[in-house]
Parts: sequence; structure tokens; C-alpha cells
Amino acid sequence: GEDVEQSLFLSVREGDSSVINCTYTDSSSTYLYWYKQEPGAGLQLLTYIFSNMDMKQDQRLTVLLNKKDKHLSLRIADTQTGDSAIYFCAELAMNYGGSQGNLIFGKGTKLSVKP
Amino acid sequence: ETGVTQSPTHLIKTRGQQVTLRCSSQSGHNTVSWYQQALGQGPQFIFQYYREEENGRGNFPPRFSGLQFPNYSSELNVNALELDDSALYLCASSLDGPYSPLHFGNGTRLTVT
Repeated sequence: GEDVEQSLFLSVREGDSSVINCTYTDSSSTYLYWYKQEPGAGLQLLTYIFSNMDMKQDQRLTVLLNKKDKHLSLRIADTQTGDSAIYFCAELAMNYGGSQGNLIFGKGTKLSVKP
Repeated sequence: ETGVTQSPTHLIKTRGQQVTLRCSSQSGHNTVSWYQQALGQGPQFIFQYYREEENGRGNFPPRFSGLQFPNYSSELNVNALELDDSALYLCASSLDGPYSPLHFGNGTRLTVT
């Protein structure tokens, strides 16, 4: 079955880099996503990576994908207090012969940024 | 462009009652998905609608049902509410096709007492 695992907590100092890790189990996953959730809010799409890529960079965000180990990471450079939130890793699970997909989420990593 | 909007933001119901949650999709998006997020957990897929038809369903009982309207807005209905249905219900819209990223609303917080 599909399962996505993340560490639950990460604490960093403002200005440091944050690295949030995720492992997934479905080797056929085509897309992997990172979402951010602030208190009382929905999910904000941060970035996503296609399974044939090793790395994707978007401003302060860098996503690394190790498909062999089914390991995904999100690096946030120069972490700010406004980055404090819960970060969810998600893999795309395909159904109905590939005509429909839904996301399988991890439990989320709570990032705390100390001034 | 307007994002995904959900109503109401909060709701309190009693066990056994029925509830309807509403969602307006992001402009131009014709696919809507609903997710349930229990406290301290990641969101879990309930179902997806495309062109007014259910296009996939997660491991939820039939008392969870939905509708999608011609303007792509959507409803989630839950009958015979149970205490474990207390959660944040998230609606997400996307363009058609399984590879389009989901854009989420801020959710409806349902409390069942």
C-alpha cells in the first residue's frame, strides 16, 4: 500500500537552512508535492517535482528526489519566522487505469523558526 | 483570479445529524476534490468530481456523498454524523487530468458533539 512518512518536528534559527525529509512507498509515483499549512488555514502548494527529475529549485526552495531510496527533501534557505508552519509531503497515486489521481499525504512536519 | 472558497468556516453539529459543506472552485478549474484532515494528521482523500460525475473515491463510507454543479462549484454531504467525523474538510480544485496540481481552500472546521 501507499504510505508517506515524515518526521514530526523541526526547529531552526532564523537565517539558517531548514531541511524537511520525507519517504514514500509507491515507486510508480509520477509527481511529488510539498504543501505548507499555516494555523487555521488550508494547504498552500509550495512546489512539486516530476519523478524523472533529481532536483528542482525555486527561489529559496530546493527539492531533492532520490528515486532509488524513495526519499524526498525540501530545503528552505535563509529560513524566516514567517516560514513557521506545518509542511506536508504528498505523492500522487493513480487510479482507474491512470485517468484519476489523488494525493497521499504524510502527517506533516511542524517547522518552528526561532528569532 | 479568485482562489478556492469554502463555506461555512466553522460548524457545530450533533451526532446523527446531516451536514452540507460548500466549495467554489478556482476560476477555470473543472475538477474538484475533497479531503478530510483530522487533528494532527495529514489530509485524506474522500472523493473527486469531474464534469459533475464522481471520478474517484477514497476509503470513506457511502454516507459521505458529493455533488458538482455546472459552474464547477461543489458540495460535500455527510449523513448520520459520528463523533469521528470531527475534522477540517478541505476542498481543492484543479484543471482536468490527474497531473494538475491541487489548489486548496481554507477548509471548513466541523465539530460533532
